[in-house]
Amino acid sequence: DQQVKQNSPSLSVQEGRISILNCDYTNSMFDYFLWYKKYPAEGPTFLISISSIKDKNEDGRFTVFLNKSAKHLSLHIVPSQPGDSAVYFCAASEGGSEKLVFGKGTKLTVNP
Amino acid sequence: DVKVTQSSRYLVKRTGEKVFLECVQDMDHENMFWYRQDPGLGLRLIYFSYDVKMKEKGDIPEGYSVSREKKERFSLILESASTNQTSMYLCASSSQGPGLGNYGYTFGSGTRLTVV
Repeated sequence: DQQVKQNSPSLSVQEGRISILNCDYTNSMFDYFLWYKKYPAEGPTFLISISSIKDKNEDGRFTVFLNKSAKHLSLHIVPSQPGDSAVYFCAASEGGSEKLVFGKGTKLTVNP
Repeated sequence: DVKVTQSSRYLVKRTGEKVFLECVQDMDHENMFWYRQDPGLGLRLIYFSYDVKMKEKGDIPEGYSVSREKKERFSLILESASTNQTSMYLCASSSQGPGLGNYGYTFGSGTRLTVV
């Protein structure tokens, strides 16, 4: 039973365009969401997060949108750069729990 | 610069061997986690620990055990390595508190284990 779903295993975009990575969740008790970025042979690194009391959080080229009614969040990268090519994991936590539930990841390729 | 350090980047072991994967963090974090990452399966939680000498099973604990004798160190043990345990193993830590804060976990660089 997958509580956090990233339905697109891969995404390919052109440099300079927008990348949109999607994530759906089933547990309505999730109240904190994070995105991690992972390069090959490295551990994931934190990218951006959002609390359920917000519907948008922005950090430079990265924006996360949360639609609680649809149980959906998305990560927008504008403009996309070749260095953004990595696997992106969506993660969620419930009620202050320290335990994160991860999606399976989306591999983003940004072509020059 | 805060760190989670995994003792080996690459490891090759034989089937049936007992394997120890070590993880050390220097952030005085209470929580530590072991995940494995496999293509198409994402990050799956093996074990976690909220305190010294404390451990809880994650989603896929079979074939693994853990040890946390000191706050900064969390070891993953493969009692008898099998080929289906060939994977990337990731250690992570986080601080305890009312919530995850802004960044959730800090991950180590991972250990690529191959069991032959």
